Amino acid sequence: DGGITQSPKYLFRKEGQNVTLSCEQNLNHDAMYWYRQDPGQGLRLIYYSQIVNDFQKGDIAEGYSVSREKKESFPLTVTSAQKNPTAFYLCASSELAINEQFFGPGTRLTVL
Amino acid sequence: GENVEQHPSTLSVQEGDSAVIKCTYSDSASNYFPWYKQELGKGPQLIIDIRSNVGEKKDQRIAVTLNKTAKHFSLHITETQPEDSAVYFCAAGRRRGDMRFGAGTRLTVKP
Repeated sequence: DGGITQSPKYLFRKEGQNVTLSCEQNLNHDAMYWYRQDPGQGLRLIYYSQIVNDFQKGDIAEGYSVSREKKESFPLTVTSAQKNPTAFYLCASSELAINEQFFGPGTRLTVL
Repeated sequence: GENVEQHPSTLSVQEGDSAVIKCTYSDSASNYFPWYKQELGKGPQLIIDIRSNVGEKKDQRIAVTLNKTAKHFSLHITETQPEDSAVYFCAAGRRRGDMRFGAGTRLTVKP
């Protein structure tokens, strides 16, 4: 089955700890994205990457970091500098020349 | 950058009725306008999209209209069914990484 996987589905961390969210795709897509979703709000772009070893900040990159060492993987690290990290995090991917984004199932992060 | 506003935030209809969700965008250069459906605890799924060279697009019970002059686009769902109940998001953009989403509309279809 082709698609995007995110793990884990639920994640709990103590305040002050860094945590890394996994995103893997086997769609052979060049572009990958991370969004944050809060209740009553739309999806806000954190980071995106169009090719391996390259990525750009989105609207709310502060307190987050990413890497793109492999085409199929785009992990997101939520650092202790992120003031309100509790949220639903969504990863997406798309072909480079096409806008349509395919989303993963999401990871719900709760910081205690 | 692009700014997308979506209305209403909640919408409740009777089964069989139509539902309309509207979005406005700010960047006149945006040329791609997708609509996503998100069920509880899942990632959004694309249900229909339209590009700026087209004014209307239909797919069975779902249609999207685009008014480039007014910079607004709408989602129309006819003959609604309980399984249409979900949160719907519009988005607008013109290149990869430049897409912005509306705040979402929670649609409830009452049997």
